[in-house]
Amino acid sequence: AAGVIQSPRHLIKEKRETATLKCYPIPRHDTVYWYQQGPGQDPQFLISFYEKMQSDKGSIPDRFSAQQFSDYHSELNMSSLELGDSALYFCASSLGAGGPYEQFFGPGTRLTVL
Amino acid sequence: AQKITQTQPGMFVQEKEAVTLDCTYDTSDPSYGLFWYKQPSSGEMIFLIYQGSYDQQNATEGRYSLNFQKARKSANLVISASQLGDSAMYFCAMRGSGGSNYKLTFGKGTLLTVNP
Repeated sequence: AAGVIQSPRHLIKEKRETATLKCYPIPRHDTVYWYQQGPGQDPQFLISFYEKMQSDKGSIPDRFSAQQFSDYHSELNMSSLELGDSALYFCASSLGAGGPYEQFFGPGTRLTVL
Repeated sequence: AQKITQTQPGMFVQEKEAVTLDCTYDTSDPSYGLFWYKQPSSGEMIFLIYQGSYDQQNATEGRYSLNFQKARKSANLVISASQLGDSAMYFCAMRGSGGSNYKLTFGKGTLLTVNP
């Protein structure tokens, strides 16, 4: 079965650089969530999209932006990177936003900021 | 606001024995969902089991079962017949209902070590 695809899997950037993370949800899934997991931490919700519209926003820095495209893939854009942005970034997708619809997580993108 | 509490930072269990990982939650939503995810050292988040707040029976998925006690606001994960491959971090998570509450709120996790 197809799973959530994230690219790249690993990314190394310097401080103040920009990064773009991509997420391809499971086919027919219309909802995408982004989470950030710092070292030794639990995942923290950043932002979500339902049918290409932003549906919820969490503790996402103003330096980050995201969107969902017509083919339902999503991109997380991160600018002016800081050391503290080093983390594992997960994308999750679900069919519909509520109900007994589990969120399927991608393998994550490990971002290291030097 | 939703809150998940996992009070066991680490747990040890002998291979083939059962283990219970604790999870308590707090929410004002009348309808919500509870999830357990497994995160091995490789980093991926693996969905294990789901329990809806209105489900009458406890959820089961193979060796995983969820001991749901609504009045006590607890949703403990029971792993039967532990295997070495069960060694991982386990996260309890909650999703609320309506509008902005579909995001998952995670607990701090429990690191399970299965000893041979």
